[in-house]
Amino acid sequence: SQQGEEDPQALSIQEGENATMNCSYKTSINNLQWYRQNSGRGLVHLILIRSNEREKHSGRLRVTLDTSKKSSSLLITASRAADTASYFCGTAGTGRRALTFGSGTRLQVQP
Amino acid sequence: DTEVTQTPKHLVMGMTNKKSLKCEQHMGHRAMYWYKQKAKKPPELMFVYSYEKLSINESVPSRFSPECPNSSLLNLHLHALQPEDSALYLCASSQEGLAGAYEQYFGPGTRLTVT
Repeated sequence: SQQGEEDPQALSIQEGENATMNCSYKTSINNLQWYRQNSGRGLVHLILIRSNEREKHSGRLRVTLDTSKKSSSLLITASRAADTASYFCGTAGTGRRALTFGSGTRLQVQP
Repeated sequence: DTEVTQTPKHLVMGMTNKKSLKCEQHMGHRAMYWYKQKAKKPPELMFVYSYEKLSINESVPSRFSPECPNSSLLNLHLHALQPEDSALYLCASSQEGLAGAYEQYFGPGTRLTVT
């Protein structure tokens, strides 16, 4: 079963704009990961944030984690058409050896 | 080499066929995974192998049979599948450690169609 939900389910923006997507989860976690998936392809790891971290940056990506609210957000700044993809958050509850993915956000960046 | 390879890329099989999906990684990872993904849905975990032993089976029907011949290879044997089993099958690997502590590397997937 899905651990988390993401919103929005779909997001369409213009190139150069920022895109924000949110992930909520249900159980205590050790860390949270974000992945990108281009249509019909495998997932690509973007960033991992540990439960004792509140914010993490990687290039144009900024991830926040609020463990009290059981939520995380992914911000993509200055979006490009190549950022068009589905984005998933993945979490693993304590003691679990595998990730459970949220429902995903489909991002469309218009050139 | 940070690549996970999967073969075949596409597979069409009848409900009475037996086929196998293959996955390979040479990153020295000790955990390997099979996921099933339907269109516009997130990947759903099927199996996890840790140090070549099956550590998680998410109540997957027995018509799916995983096998880990060695630390670099992961197979998924398919037999008597149903049309609803048509999906993208993804393989992934990661270093072994705490739950979800390491990033997973995904292969490109096998697009399976059951007729």
